[in-house]
Amino acid sequence: QLTQSPPSLSASVGDRVTITCRASQGINNYLAWYQQKPGKAPKLLIYAASILQSGVPSRFSGSGSGTDFTLTISSLQPEDFATYYCQELHIYPHFGGGTKVEIK
Amino acid sequence: EVQLVQSGAEIKTPGESLRISCQTSGYTFSSYWINWLRHMPGKGPEWMGRIDPRDSFTTYSPSFQGHVTISIDKSINTAYLQWSSLKASDTAIYYCARSTVPAAPFDNWGQGTLVSVS
Repeated sequence: QLTQSPPSLSASVGDRVTITCRASQGINNYLAWYQQKPGKAPKLLIYAASILQSGVPSRFSGSGSGTDFTLTISSLQPEDFATYYCQELHIYPHFGGGTKVEIK
Repeated sequence: EVQLVQSGAEIKTPGESLRISCQTSGYTFSSYWINWLRHMPGKGPEWMGRIDPRDSFTTYSPSFQGHVTISIDKSINTAYLQWSSLKASDTAIYYCARSTVPAAPFDNWGQGTLVSVS
């Protein structure tokens, strides 16, 4: 089970934003992060906890191992307002409940 | 360009059957597993199952085993998700997504298919 926090947050353009994902048991670095905008499919941002998917801006970064993981947006841009999900990379994968990033 | 293009929205009544599709292009179909996911409002996506296009081997989530069927048509690089008897609780958006191996991330997704059952 993956628990994301906070469920939602309000932030301004230029802010540093951190989202956390906690696993109920250790999962090494088998974690991915996705961004989803309204009406669109999720988009892969990061895999193996910290590897940036090709084409994803460098303001996104991921860290963590074991049970605690973070997604950081170093300087929030207007196009970053979206919902973010973590996912355990497993043969039976599952996702966190999401964190909605809204405009302050 | 890699593309996964899903069939259009469906409105059904409980008990009806349904098959939705995911047509792929821009890559070698047999090189990537196709996964299906359900997404309900306010929740994280739920993985339903996957199929290996090389041999049609399928794996299902225990939560969906026996309620849906995943299949492919290699001649047209297309995957399918099928229900024999829909329930109102099947109302959701369904996505197909590809992965290199079973535990790999989903690097390309279809645009989603809204299924409404009432």
